Amino acid sequence: NAGVMQNPRHLVRRRGQEARLRCSPMKGHSHVYWYRQLPEEGLKFMVYLQKENIIDESGMPKERFSAEFPKEGPSILRIQQVVRGDSAAYFCASSPGGEANQPQHFGDGTRLSIL
Amino acid sequence: AQSVTQLDSHVSVSEGTPVLLRCNYSSSYSPSLFWYVQHPNKGLQLLLKYTSAATLVKGINGFEAEFKKSETSFHLTKPSAHMSDAAEYFCVVSDYSTGGFKTIFGAGTRLFVKA
Repeated sequence: NAGVMQNPRHLVRRRGQEARLRCSPMKGHSHVYWYRQLPEEGLKFMVYLQKENIIDESGMPKERFSAEFPKEGPSILRIQQVVRGDSAAYFCASSPGGEANQPQHFGDGTRLSIL
Repeated sequence: AQSVTQLDSHVSVSEGTPVLLRCNYSSSYSPSLFWYVQHPNKGLQLLLKYTSAATLVKGINGFEAEFKKSETSFHLTKPSAHMSDAAEYFCVVSDYSTGGFKTIFGAGTRLFVKA
């Protein structure tokens, strides 16, 4: 009964490269959420997706960041032309539906380091 | 608009003594409230949730929380702390607003447990 799977666990990129973070939700979950966590800080919402649809991207930076959740395969958070400030832990969560009373189930995160 | 305030950024207790982590929220409607725990280099794990049923909610690992609408509080307690409880704890409110539901995370409270 696999939980939310994120890979890679650790990702190192040089400034200007692209970073791709993957998230496979729990079985039966069709809603995915991405969060960013800076050291010693809480989680900041980035984007909420349902299969093939972006529901809420109010927390996503307007440039360089994009997310998708295709019909088949994992959800992808993509960061183009990374900068030092993108260094953070990125967490993915999933839920079976889009109801406020449903808890989100979290992966162990991807720690992105920018050299 | 929703908001969550965790009143203490750090709490330190001795092993075997009670734990109190404080959380206040604001919400326009009837919120769902959650507590999550995060151990180092791991994702968030759900401790308990309140979704308009019983106001005293029991969770895993001996934790419980009481929803007090008049005080807009959802404090987390445990009668006797264990060394393994040392972690970061997040209070979360989820509620409906224009355009769908929103999930807001508190800034977190780091719990230290002394032997």
